[in-house]
Amino acid sequence: GAVVSQHPSWVICKSGTSVKIECRSLDFQATTMFWYRQFPKQSLMLMATSNEGSKATYEQGVEKDKFLINHASLTLSTLTVTSAHPEDSSFYICSARDGSGGAYEQFFGPGTRLTVL
Amino acid sequence: SQELEQSPQSLIVQEGKNLTINCTSSKTLYGLYWYKQKYGEGLIFLMMLQKGGEEKSHEKITAKLDEKKQQSSLHITASQPSHAGIYLCGAEVFGDMRFGAGTRLTVKP
Repeated sequence: GAVVSQHPSWVICKSGTSVKIECRSLDFQATTMFWYRQFPKQSLMLMATSNEGSKATYEQGVEKDKFLINHASLTLSTLTVTSAHPEDSSFYICSARDGSGGAYEQFFGPGTRLTVL
Repeated sequence: SQELEQSPQSLIVQEGKNLTINCTSSKTLYGLYWYKQKYGEGLIFLMMLQKGGEEKSHEKITAKLDEKKQQSSLHITASQPSHAGIYLCGAEVFGDMRFGAGTRLTVKP
């Protein structure tokens, strides 16, 4: 099946710094990628949807200037948490959709655990 | 917006017992997905259901989608400790995947 990777798998940073998380589709071209965040004991919440070459669409309540999403190629999307604070500590998961053949299944990355001190 | 309600929120069963998790939508589902996850880890795709009345099985896990395509159930037969985790139902909503709140399953040996 299709594989999506995320890097790093975990990161610890100081408050006020920025952190970049990469999401890659390894064996297919992802025309659309999604970013989710998950707090302990809660479900995944969609943060934003990004299409290759265009601006991301953010969900209500998600700060665009804080969570910068770039989908510069068909295999890579990045999420940058700017000026991170402890409340941004969470588990971030990306997913990607193969744009060929009208497929609708999303393939999920393994997630990135962010801890902001 | 389409909301997915999962029940129960948490479930503790003795090893070997059967269990059922439900997922109910306020609108017709055109694609219902079941995933398993352990917090801090990625999602494991279990099954996808699209047709009303559809039923799929994988090992000891069976998922069904009702005829009206608004409710799905996930049934585990003879549960094992390896079944423990968070079970999430998800549905495509205008191209985005939305999830239910999840059901936390604990299987006691």
